[in-house]
Amino acid sequence: DTGVSQDPRHKITKRGQNVTFRCDPISEHNRLYWYRQTLGQGPEFLTYFQNEAQLEKSRLLSDRFSAERPKGSFSTLEIQRTEQGDSAMYLCASSLAQGSIQYFGAGTRLSVL
Amino acid sequence: SQQGEEDPQALSIQEGENATMNCSYKTSINNLQWYRQNSGRGLVHLILIRSNEREKHSGRLRVTLDTSKKSSSLLITASRAADTASYFCATDLQNQGGKLIFGQGTELSVKP
Repeated sequence: DTGVSQDPRHKITKRGQNVTFRCDPISEHNRLYWYRQTLGQGPEFLTYFQNEAQLEKSRLLSDRFSAERPKGSFSTLEIQRTEQGDSAMYLCASSLAQGSIQYFGAGTRLSVL
Repeated sequence: SQQGEEDPQALSIQEGENATMNCSYKTSINNLQWYRQNSGRGLVHLILIRSNEREKHSGRLRVTLDTSKKSSSLLITASRAADTASYFCATDLQNQGGKLIFGQGTELSVKP
């Protein structure tokens, strides 16, 4: 399978714990995006990378959130000191370039108890 | 706030009927993309239409774009029960780096 893959698919954690999600984009895709989706809503943009450079962060991304894309390949999204409001589906997408189709992974569903 | 507004929020039809979903947006775009999402799953890309295009087809799907009215529509012809899903439009705004701004989606139910 050469699509976007995300790991884990589901994560249950207790409030205050740290969690890390991984996204493997389609190979040779320079752009990688993170979105968050809550129930009944459309996805909301969090941040994106052009190769290894993080070019924009949404104001939704508080100081507890950090994302990296070392070497311009896979990306990780870490949430520190999780809160119940962080419960959502975290979606990763990749594209060849700006303005190209964004292909999404299956998402990581986070539940903070 | 969300850029796109989708209409209707929910649509229920019988198998074989056509389904039309509409999307409006507020500022100039580079392109507009339509996605499908089955419950609890990731988004599947359907069609990308660029700002200089007016209509695109893919199988049973037809997308139109009217940049003067800042609106787009997705038509699914001869619907099937398997088309039951949420459908989202997403805009790639000019000078915004390529991120997508999604609407709230239309929940389509196709009854056999």
